[in-house]
Amino acid sequence: KQEVTQIPAALSVPEGENLVLNCSFTDSAIYNLQWFRQDPGKGLTSLLLIQSSQREQTSGRLNASLDKSSGRSTLYIAASQPGDSATYLCAALDSNYQLIWGAGTKLIIKP
Amino acid sequence: GAGVSQSPRYKVAKRGQDVALRCDPISGHVSLFWYQQALGQGPEFLTYFQNEAQLDKSGLPSDRFFAERPEGSVSTLKIQRTQQEDSAVYLCASSQGPSRAETQYFGPGTRLLVL
Repeated sequence: KQEVTQIPAALSVPEGENLVLNCSFTDSAIYNLQWFRQDPGKGLTSLLLIQSSQREQTSGRLNASLDKSSGRSTLYIAASQPGDSATYLCAALDSNYQLIWGAGTKLIIKP
Repeated sequence: GAGVSQSPRYKVAKRGQDVALRCDPISGHVSLFWYQQALGQGPEFLTYFQNEAQLDKSGLPSDRFFAERPEGSVSTLKIQRTQQEDSAVYLCASSQGPSRAETQYFGPGTRLLVL
């Protein structure tokens, strides 16, 4: 059974720093790996989707990588801003076409 | 509409009460998903619709949970005889096509508290 883990559970960094969020999954048989942002009261917003055949995806200051063989994905945020403060979740689309989610990393960017 | 909407946004129910949660997906979206998110956890899949057909209900935790999408647009998640462990945020998402591998667009969720 696919399990997705995100470490750390919480992270606080000063504004302007580059940072990396980690996601690991136990079963490499995935169709894609997705990163979402969750803001209180506003639901989930899709950030990046990496197909299983891809190694990375970029959108603005965000870059997500995928290494299926090691069961890992990272989300890199460049030049962090206070508006980046949110909970970031990763989810793997498993062989049953179900999204299996991590518990998230709560990110706080200090001005 | 511009995005996925859900109602009510908050619901307090007494244990044993039935509740109905509504989801209005993005207009024209074929696929619709329901998730349950407990506090401090990631969402967990409940069920999936392609148009009006419920193709996957393997995530529904018990037969007290029932979902429908009779006309292939609005969906309702019904929970009968609510229990305290049903307290969670219920998220609805939709995606444009029939593939479950597409980007999903989420509503704000309904926060259910069972007393």
